[in-house]
Amino acid sequence: DQQVKQNSPSLSVQEGRISILNCDYTNSMFDYFLWYKKYPAEGPTFLISISSIKDKNEDGRFTVFLNKSAKHLSLHIVPSQPGDSAVYFCAASDSFYGGATNKLIFGTGTLLAVQP
Amino acid sequence: DSGVTQTPKHLITATGQRVTLRCSPRSGDLSVYWYQQSLDQGLQFLIQYYNGEERAKGNILERFSAQQFPDLHSELNLSSLELGDSALYFCASSVARDGANTGELFFGEGSRLTVL
Repeated sequence: DQQVKQNSPSLSVQEGRISILNCDYTNSMFDYFLWYKKYPAEGPTFLISISSIKDKNEDGRFTVFLNKSAKHLSLHIVPSQPGDSAVYFCAASDSFYGGATNKLIFGTGTLLAVQP
Repeated sequence: DSGVTQTPKHLITATGQRVTLRCSPRSGDLSVYWYQQSLDQGLQFLIQYYNGEERAKGNILERFSAQQFPDLHSELNLSSLELGDSALYFCASSVARDGANTGELFFGEGSRLTVL
């Protein structure tokens, strides 16, 4: 049962253009969503997050949008740079606003390639 | 550098054997999480410990076990290894004190296990 889904295994974008990575979830109890970035031979690193009470969060070139009714979130990177090439994981938590655990449920990842 | 340390980085062993993976969390973090990433898979949550006690359990096989010690480091024990256990095993940590939740996990660089 895949509660967090990233249906695009890969995405190729030209440098300077917008990258849009998508993520869908099935569990309506999720109240916090995160994006992680992973380079080869490294652990995932936190990129940006959004709580369920918001529909947008922006941090520099990175913006995350949340559509709760559609159970969908997306990560926009503008402008895309070659250094952004990595695997991006979407993750969700059901205990940000309380609960004994804040384990994250991850999607399968999207490999972003930004072409110079 | 996330501050989470995992050893060993690489491990090659044979089917039927037993291995132990070690994780030191970030200074001050009370929670440790173990994740497994198999080929073309997302990060699968295995288990969480909080201040020495098991807090949440995911898709962890009965052949696998973990513990968190008084100094907060954690070990993941994998026994009766099978070819399918070959994967990257990540440890993550967070503050995750009762009643407070930062939402973000900090990941180590992973331990790559190859079972031949």
